Amino acid sequence: DQQVKQNSPSLSVQEGRISILNCDYTNSMFDYFLWYKKYPAEGPTFLISISSIKDKNEDGRFTVFLNKSAKHLSLHIVPSQPGDSAVYFCAAMVRGGSNYKLTFGKGTLLTVNP
Amino acid sequence: EAQVTQNPRYLITVTGKKLTVTCSQNMNHEYMSWYRQDPGLGLRQIYYSMNVEVTDKGDVPEGYKVSRKEKRNFPLILESPSPNQTSLYFCASGGLNSPLHFGNGTRLTVT
Repeated sequence: DQQVKQNSPSLSVQEGRISILNCDYTNSMFDYFLWYKKYPAEGPTFLISISSIKDKNEDGRFTVFLNKSAKHLSLHIVPSQPGDSAVYFCAAMVRGGSNYKLTFGKGTLLTVNP
Repeated sequence: EAQVTQNPRYLITVTGKKLTVTCSQNMNHEYMSWYRQDPGLGLRQIYYSMNVEVTDKGDVPEGYKVSRKEKRNFPLILESPSPNQTSLYFCASGGLNSPLHFGNGTRLTVT
């Protein structure tokens, strides 16, 4: 049973436009959500996170939105740059437990075209 | 520089030959974990450790062992590797208020 789903395996956008990556989850116990970016031959790199008590978190060009009632979150990148081309993983966790386990989606490959 | 270091980056071995993948972190994190990444399955947790001498199973622990004798090191041990353990492995570390930091991965092929 996949608890975190990224239904779009890939996304292609033009440089300067907005990239929107989506993620859905099924486990209502998740209370902390993260986005990681991964380049080939490197490990995932933390990008931005959001707690379940918030509905928006912004960091420069990156904004994450959380809709708890819909169990949906999205990552907005504005403006998109060619260097943003990477695989983006959505991840979720239950804070306060004995395991800081991240449950990952399968990832979305973002390609930003010059 | 804060980092998680895994070695080796690439490893090709044969079925049944014991191997160890090392992982070291320099951030004084108490928590460390191993994940494997497979096509179509994303990243799945193998084992984790909350502190020295404290380890526990993740979602896919079969065929793996770990140890945590020192805070900075968390090796992954495959006593008798099999072809279904061919995968990309990531070590990660973190703290209570710190997102997980990942190493650059170890690509293992078992023939």
